[in-house]
Amino acid sequence: GDSVTQMEGPVTLSEEAFLTINCTYTATGYPSLFWYVQYPGEGLQLLLKATKADDKGSNKGFEATYRKETTSFHLEKGSVQVSDSAVYFCALSGNQAGTALIFGKGTTLSVSS
Amino acid sequence: EPEVTQTPSHQVTQMGQEVILRCVPISNHLYFYWYRQILGQKVEFLVSFYNNEISEKSEIFDDQFSVERPDGSNFTLKIRSTKLEDSAMYFCASSGAAGNEKLFFGSGTQLSVL
Repeated sequence: GDSVTQMEGPVTLSEEAFLTINCTYTATGYPSLFWYVQYPGEGLQLLLKATKADDKGSNKGFEATYRKETTSFHLEKGSVQVSDSAVYFCALSGNQAGTALIFGKGTTLSVSS
Repeated sequence: EPEVTQTPSHQVTQMGQEVILRCVPISNHLYFYWYRQILGQKVEFLVSFYNNEISEKSEIFDDQFSVERPDGSNFTLKIRSTKLEDSAMYFCASSGAAGNEKLFFGSGTQLSVL
């Protein structure tokens, strides 16, 4: 079945460092891809998404490109801040309304000043 | 921004007891979901609900689980007879007419079964 694999954490970085969190997927058809973020004590929030191959999702300085050839959707940010410390989840879904999201395990990011 | 609210934030129960986890989705949303995350594991889909019926459910969602939208605003998850392995963070989510184009999640209920 469909699945998402993301790099194990935790990831510990200094402020202004470059961030990459790897995510690869296995799916039939053409899923939509998402990154969700969970800040301490809060629910999951949609960070960015891409719905077709070569689409780039971006938000708050984060980017991810839907790569069909490598079945990947890696999350990147050029310069992280302490406020980016959170758990990041890669997810996919089918394109039919109401289709369940399939999540990766989540990667904890800790940024220190 | 509108938000999904879940209560309680923590629930402790004895094995074999029934629990009801409550959620208030965003008011004009049509699709409702329950997910759970066992500590250290993936966020797992349990069930989706649309038009007053279950539209999709996972293998986890067995006869011990049920969902209800009793009054047009609340969306509840009931576990009939809890087991130790039901201990997890349970997330409610809702989305609008576009389905899961964007899911809004609650902050979760941490269920501990002793």
